[in-house]
Amino acid sequence: SAVISQKPSRDICQRGTSLTIQCQVDSQVTMMFWYRQQPGQSLTLIATANQGSEATYESGFVIDKFPISRPNLTFSTLTVSNMSPEDSSIYLCSVGLGQSYGYTFGSGTRLTVV
Amino acid sequence: KQEVTQIPAALSVPEGENLVLNCSFTDSAIYNLQWFRQDPGKGLTSLLLIQSSQREQTSGRLNASLDKSSGRSTLYIAASQPGDSATYLCAVRAGTASKLTFGTGTRLQVTL
Repeated sequence: SAVISQKPSRDICQRGTSLTIQCQVDSQVTMMFWYRQQPGQSLTLIATANQGSEATYESGFVIDKFPISRPNLTFSTLTVSNMSPEDSSIYLCSVGLGQSYGYTFGSGTRLTVV
Repeated sequence: KQEVTQIPAALSVPEGENLVLNCSFTDSAIYNLQWFRQDPGKGLTSLLLIQSSQREQTSGRLNASLDKSSGRSTLYIAASQPGDSATYLCAVRAGTASKLTFGTGTRLQVTL
């Protein structure tokens, strides 16, 4: 399975500012996924990041709020823009190495907006 | 739209007990189902992956079963330990989509 390095692990941010989360994978993958987990809730997919093309966003998530970069096959960033306390969540990146291998997740970024 | 439900939402058991966590899904056209463990404030650790053609998978004290026709999976934990305390999530990969649909999770506490 792949190993994902995600950072920062946690941050406390002022409302109105932006935070960029990074994920580095130890192997080349076509798609990377970004999830949000609000307090006490399960995971919700934000977007799918493909190398060389625009990310595909799920219903309820927009590029202006969650811009994503995917400069190569091993790296992606998610930015949470113009943050409000409602953005306080755990953000996770994920990759899949094919149907037979399931999905691997990063260690998560715990974001608190004050 | 695929919906995944986990029962119970929370469970507390004494150390040494065997226990079963349940996961149900509404659309049986799945590629596979994956069980994860999540410690508080942390990322997800994959426990077991069951392909749609399989009935069960085992890893150590963990055994996961899949009944695709009835839309159910169970995670069996034998001889539970305090270190098993965590939230357990099931997730299905449905149809040809690549994304996972997650269940609501079961928060497990194993007491001494």
